[in-house]
Amino acid sequence: GQNIDQPTEMTATEGAIVQINCTYQTSGFNGLFWYQQHAGEAPTFLSYNVLDGLEEKGRFSSFLSRSKGYSYLLLKELQMKDSASYLCAVSDSNYQLIWGAGTKLIIKP
Amino acid sequence: IAGITQAPTSQILAAGRRMTLRCTQDMRHNAMYWYRQDLGLGLRLIHYSNTAGTTGKGEVPDGYSVSRANTDDFPLTLASAVPSQTSVYFCASSDRGHNEQFFGPGTRLTVL
Repeated sequence: GQNIDQPTEMTATEGAIVQINCTYQTSGFNGLFWYQQHAGEAPTFLSYNVLDGLEEKGRFSSFLSRSKGYSYLLLKELQMKDSASYLCAVSDSNYQLIWGAGTKLIIKP
Repeated sequence: IAGITQAPTSQILAAGRRMTLRCTQDMRHNAMYWYRQDLGLGLRLIHYSNTAGTTGKGEVPDGYSVSRANTDDFPLTLASAVPSQTSVYFCASSDRGHNEQFFGPGTRLTVL
């Protein structure tokens, strides 16, 4: 079957760095997405990885290892507004997105 | 319109009633999707459409139907609502099937 695993909840301190992991088992692979979702709002796109390695975009970076079925989202210089759920999704062989349940990130001052 | 709109924002519905959730996008995207999001579960695909005139079943299609008469609109219909269909429903679209998906603001549906 297809499966995306990510931690349910994480807590970090304002100004610190946090890494949110995602492991996946899917039928085919056409890329991995990270989305941010604030409570009561729609998911918004953060990053896309299709090749192994690190993609950096400002304070956010995303890493992919296809051989390990593993990705992480790295958030630097955490701000209170980063409190949100972070969703990992994999595009499978049919280009459908398979979604993880999301990681709720709590930022403390 | 900018992006994707959904209507209504929220709705309380009696079990057994018929309900249509509306979704409209103005980005001329080929592909559109309907998801439901329940606490503790990931987004689950209900139905999708890769282009106007075609639709397909997702992971949880039972009890739902869709149509795609044109590029912009993708309504989701619950023929006879049941309490297990209480959820937040998101419509999304993408330019070609495998690109970044853009989401509407969601419809919060409660079936009593």
